[in-house]
Amino acid sequence: SQELEQSPQSLIVQEGKNLTINCTSSKTLYGLYWYKQKYGEGLIFLMMLQKGGEEKSHEKITAKLDEKKQQSSLHITASQPSHAGIYLCGAVGGTSYGKLTFGQGTILTVHP
Amino acid sequence: GAVVSQHPSWVICKSGTSVKIECRSLDFQATTMFWYRQFPKQSLMLMATSNEGSKATYEQGVEKDKFLINHASLTLSTLTVTSAHPEDSSFYICSATSPRSSTDTQYFGPGTRLTVL
Repeated sequence: SQELEQSPQSLIVQEGKNLTINCTSSKTLYGLYWYKQKYGEGLIFLMMLQKGGEEKSHEKITAKLDEKKQQSSLHITASQPSHAGIYLCGAVGGTSYGKLTFGQGTILTVHP
Repeated sequence: GAVVSQHPSWVICKSGTSVKIECRSLDFQATTMFWYRQFPKQSLMLMATSNEGSKATYEQGVEKDKFLINHASLTLSTLTVTSAHPEDSSFYICSATSPRSSTDTQYFGPGTRLTVL
Protein backbone atom coordinates (compact mmCIF):
# COMPACT_ATOMS: atom_id res chain seq x y z
CA SER A 1 0.00 0.00 0.00
CA GLN A 2 1.09 3.55 -0.59
CA GLU A 3 2.50 5.43 2.38
CA LEU A 4 2.92 9.15 2.65
CA GLU A 5 5.16 10.86 5.12
CA GLN A 6 4.80 14.55 5.85
CA SER A 7 7.36 16.79 7.45
CA PRO A 8 7.44 18.62 9.67
CA GLN A 9 4.63 17.29 11.83
CA SER A 10 4.07 20.74 13.26
CA LEU A 11 5.30 24.19 12.44
CA ILE A 12 5.08 27.49 14.29
CA VAL A 13 5.99 30.63 12.38
CA GLN A 14 5.70 34.36 12.79
CA GLU A 15 3.31 36.16 10.50
CA GLY A 16 5.05 37.23 7.31
CA LYS A 17 7.52 34.34 7.24
CA ASN A 18 7.78 31.81 4.44
CA LEU A 19 7.43 28.10 5.11
CA THR A 20 7.59 24.75 3.35
CA ILE A 21 5.82 21.47 4.06
CA ASN A 22 7.04 18.28 2.44
CA CYS A 23 5.25 15.09 1.46
CA THR A 24 7.22 11.99 0.47
CA SER A 25 5.78 8.85 -1.02
CA SER A 26 7.08 5.31 -0.90
CA LYS A 27 5.76 4.74 -4.42
CA THR A 28 5.24 6.68 -7.63
CA LEU A 29 2.47 9.21 -7.31
CA TYR A 30 -0.29 9.12 -9.92
CA GLY A 31 -1.98 12.11 -8.37
CA LEU A 32 -0.99 14.19 -5.36
CA TYR A 33 -3.52 16.35 -3.57
CA TRP A 34 -3.04 19.05 -1.00
CA TYR A 35 -5.86 19.83 1.40
CA LYS A 36 -6.22 22.18 4.34
CA GLN A 37 -8.29 21.34 7.40
CA LYS A 38 -9.36 23.47 10.31
CA TYR A 39 -9.74 21.43 13.49
CA GLY A 40 -13.14 19.79 13.62
CA GLU A 41 -14.02 20.75 10.08
CA GLY A 42 -13.89 19.22 6.64
CA LEU A 43 -11.08 19.39 4.13
CA ILE A 44 -10.63 22.26 1.73
CA PHE A 45 -9.12 21.31 -1.62
CA LEU A 46 -6.03 23.36 -2.44
CA MET A 47 -4.30 21.83 -5.43
CA MET A 48 -3.72 18.63 -7.35
CA LEU A 49 -0.51 17.70 -9.13
CA GLN A 50 -0.07 14.94 -11.64
CA LYS A 51 2.91 15.52 -13.88
CA GLY A 52 6.54 15.24 -12.87
CA GLY A 53 7.99 18.70 -12.37
CA GLU A 54 4.54 20.29 -12.20
CA GLU A 55 4.06 23.42 -10.16
CA LYS A 56 0.82 25.18 -9.29
CA SER A 57 0.10 28.34 -7.37
CA HIS A 58 -2.97 29.80 -5.75
CA GLU A 59 -2.64 33.16 -4.04
CA LYS A 60 0.35 32.75 -1.72
CA ILE A 61 0.50 28.96 -1.82
CA THR A 62 2.67 27.06 -4.30
CA ALA A 63 2.82 23.29 -4.65
CA LYS A 64 5.40 21.34 -6.61
CA LEU A 65 5.78 17.71 -7.62
CA ASP A 66 9.30 16.48 -8.29
CA GLU A 67 10.37 14.91 -11.57
CA LYS A 68 10.40 11.42 -10.12
CA LYS A 69 6.84 11.93 -8.82
CA GLN A 70 7.65 10.74 -5.33
CA GLN A 71 7.91 13.99 -3.43
CA SER A 72 5.82 17.12 -3.24
CA SER A 73 6.29 20.37 -1.40
CA LEU A 74 3.85 23.05 -0.35
CA HIS A 75 5.27 26.52 0.06
CA ILE A 76 3.51 29.45 1.69
CA THR A 77 4.88 32.91 1.09
CA ALA A 78 4.40 35.70 3.64
CA SER A 79 2.27 33.58 5.94
CA GLN A 80 -0.82 35.01 7.62
CA PRO A 81 -2.88 33.82 10.60
CA SER A 82 -5.53 32.70 8.10
CA HIS A 83 -3.08 30.11 6.82
CA ALA A 84 -3.14 28.30 10.16
CA GLY A 85 -4.57 24.81 10.14
CA ILE A 86 -3.69 21.25 9.31
CA TYR A 87 -2.23 20.58 5.89
CA LEU A 88 -2.72 17.12 4.47
CA CYS A 89 -1.25 15.58 1.38
CA GLY A 90 -3.19 12.77 -0.22
CA ALA A 91 -2.22 10.44 -3.00
CA VAL A 92 -3.95 8.21 -5.44
CA GLY A 93 -2.14 5.00 -6.19
CA GLY A 94 -2.14 3.39 -9.58
CA THR A 95 -4.19 0.34 -8.68
CA SER A 96 -6.68 1.78 -6.22
CA TYR A 97 -9.19 3.65 -8.30
CA GLY A 98 -9.89 6.99 -6.70
CA LYS A 99 -8.81 5.94 -3.22
CA LEU A 100 -6.88 8.57 -1.35
CA THR A 101 -4.16 7.73 1.14
CA PHE A 102 -3.29 10.63 3.42
CA GLY A 103 -0.13 11.69 5.13
CA GLN A 104 -0.30 12.25 8.86
CA GLY A 105 -0.74 15.98 8.44
CA THR A 106 1.25 19.08 9.35
CA ILE A 107 -0.14 21.42 11.98
CA LEU A 108 0.66 25.01 11.08
CA THR A 109 0.43 27.82 13.63
CA VAL A 110 1.00 31.40 12.54
CA HIS A 111 1.57 33.95 15.27
CA PRO A 112 0.46 37.52 14.51
CA GLY B 1 -15.52 24.15 -6.34
CA ALA B 2 -18.11 21.46 -5.76
CA VAL B 3 -20.05 21.47 -2.51
CA VAL B 4 -20.59 18.47 -0.28
CA SER B 5 -22.75 18.62 2.83
CA GLN B 6 -23.07 16.32 5.80
CA HIS B 7 -25.87 15.98 8.28
CA PRO B 8 -25.85 16.12 11.19
CA SER B 9 -22.71 18.12 11.96
CA TRP B 10 -22.58 16.60 15.40
CA VAL B 11 -24.52 13.94 17.27
CA ILE B 12 -24.52 12.51 20.76
CA CYS B 13 -26.10 9.14 21.33
CA LYS B 14 -26.39 6.45 23.95
CA SER B 15 -24.41 3.26 23.73
CA GLY B 16 -26.28 0.57 21.83
CA THR B 17 -28.26 2.90 19.59
CA SER B 18 -27.79 3.44 15.85
CA VAL B 19 -26.86 6.69 14.19
CA LYS B 20 -27.28 7.66 10.55
CA ILE B 21 -25.04 10.22 8.86
CA GLU B 22 -25.91 11.68 5.48
CA CYS B 23 -23.52 12.88 2.81
CA ARG B 24 -24.88 14.91 -0.09
CA SER B 25 -23.29 16.36 -3.19
CA LEU B 26 -25.16 19.61 -3.70
CA ASP B 27 -24.19 20.76 -7.17
CA PHE B 28 -22.90 17.70 -8.94
CA GLN B 29 -23.68 14.03 -9.33
CA ALA B 30 -21.32 11.84 -7.38
CA THR B 31 -20.94 8.35 -8.73
CA THR B 32 -18.48 7.57 -5.96
CA MET B 33 -18.41 8.63 -2.35
CA PHE B 34 -15.84 7.76 0.27
CA TRP B 35 -16.24 7.55 4.02
CA TYR B 36 -13.38 8.38 6.36
CA ARG B 37 -12.96 8.57 10.09
CA GLN B 38 -10.52 10.74 11.93
CA PHE B 39 -9.36 10.49 15.52
CA PRO B 40 -8.06 13.56 17.36
CA LYS B 41 -4.71 14.76 16.05
CA GLN B 42 -4.59 11.97 13.51
CA SER B 43 -5.00 11.81 9.79
CA LEU B 44 -7.99 10.51 7.88
CA MET B 45 -8.46 6.79 7.53
CA LEU B 46 -10.53 5.47 4.67
CA MET B 47 -13.37 3.23 5.84
CA ALA B 48 -15.20 2.38 2.65
CA THR B 49 -15.87 3.28 -0.96
CA SER B 50 -19.47 3.73 -1.97
CA ASN B 51 -20.59 3.53 -5.59
CA GLU B 52 -24.08 4.53 -6.61
CA GLY B 53 -26.32 1.53 -7.04
CA SER B 54 -23.89 -1.07 -5.80
CA LYS B 55 -22.56 -2.46 -2.54
CA ALA B 56 -19.89 -0.54 -0.72
CA THR B 57 -16.31 -1.77 -0.64
CA TYR B 58 -14.88 -1.79 2.86
CA GLU B 59 -11.27 -1.38 3.85
CA GLN B 60 -9.55 -4.11 5.77
CA GLY B 61 -10.50 -4.09 9.42
CA VAL B 62 -13.74 -2.16 8.97
CA GLU B 63 -16.82 -4.13 10.03
CA LYS B 64 -19.38 -3.95 7.26
CA ASP B 65 -22.18 -5.07 9.56
CA LYS B 66 -21.41 -2.28 11.98
CA PHE B 67 -20.92 0.51 9.48
CA LEU B 68 -23.75 0.21 6.97
CA ILE B 69 -23.33 2.27 3.83
CA ASN B 70 -26.03 3.01 1.31
CA HIS B 71 -25.54 5.02 -1.88
CA ALA B 72 -29.05 5.08 -3.23
CA SER B 73 -28.76 8.07 -5.54
CA LEU B 74 -26.12 10.10 -7.33
CA THR B 75 -26.31 12.81 -4.69
CA LEU B 76 -26.74 10.91 -1.42
CA SER B 77 -24.80 8.35 0.55
CA THR B 78 -25.55 7.37 4.14
CA LEU B 79 -23.41 5.81 6.83
CA THR B 80 -25.23 4.11 9.68
CA VAL B 81 -23.26 3.24 12.78
CA THR B 82 -25.17 0.34 14.30
CA SER B 83 -25.14 -0.51 17.99
CA ALA B 84 -22.75 2.33 18.64
CA HIS B 85 -20.23 2.09 21.47
CA PRO B 86 -17.94 4.72 23.00
CA GLU B 87 -15.01 3.51 20.90
CA ASP B 88 -17.00 4.51 17.79
CA SER B 89 -16.81 8.13 18.90
CA SER B 90 -14.91 9.90 16.17
CA PHE B 91 -15.06 12.50 13.42
CA TYR B 92 -16.60 11.02 10.27
CA ILE B 93 -15.97 12.73 6.95
CA CYS B 94 -17.29 11.87 3.53
CA SER B 95 -15.97 12.87 0.16
CA ALA B 96 -17.62 12.80 -3.23
CA THR B 97 -16.33 12.59 -6.73
CA SER B 98 -17.56 11.92 -10.18
CA PRO B 99 -14.50 10.26 -11.57
CA ARG B 100 -13.66 10.28 -15.19
CA SER B 101 -10.24 9.04 -14.17
CA SER B 102 -8.64 7.74 -11.01
CA THR B 103 -7.15 11.14 -10.25
CA ASP B 104 -10.31 13.24 -10.31
CA THR B 105 -10.63 15.54 -7.33
CA GLN B 106 -12.51 14.45 -4.25
CA TYR B 107 -14.53 17.12 -2.49
CA PHE B 108 -15.03 16.72 1.22
CA GLY B 109 -17.97 17.35 3.47
CA PRO B 110 -17.60 19.35 6.70
CA GLY B 111 -17.61 16.22 8.83
CA THR B 112 -19.84 14.79 11.55
CA ARG B 113 -18.66 14.50 15.12
CA LEU B 114 -20.11 11.45 16.81
CA THR B 115 -19.99 11.07 20.57
CA VAL B 116 -21.26 7.85 22.06
CA LEU B 117 -21.97 7.96 25.78
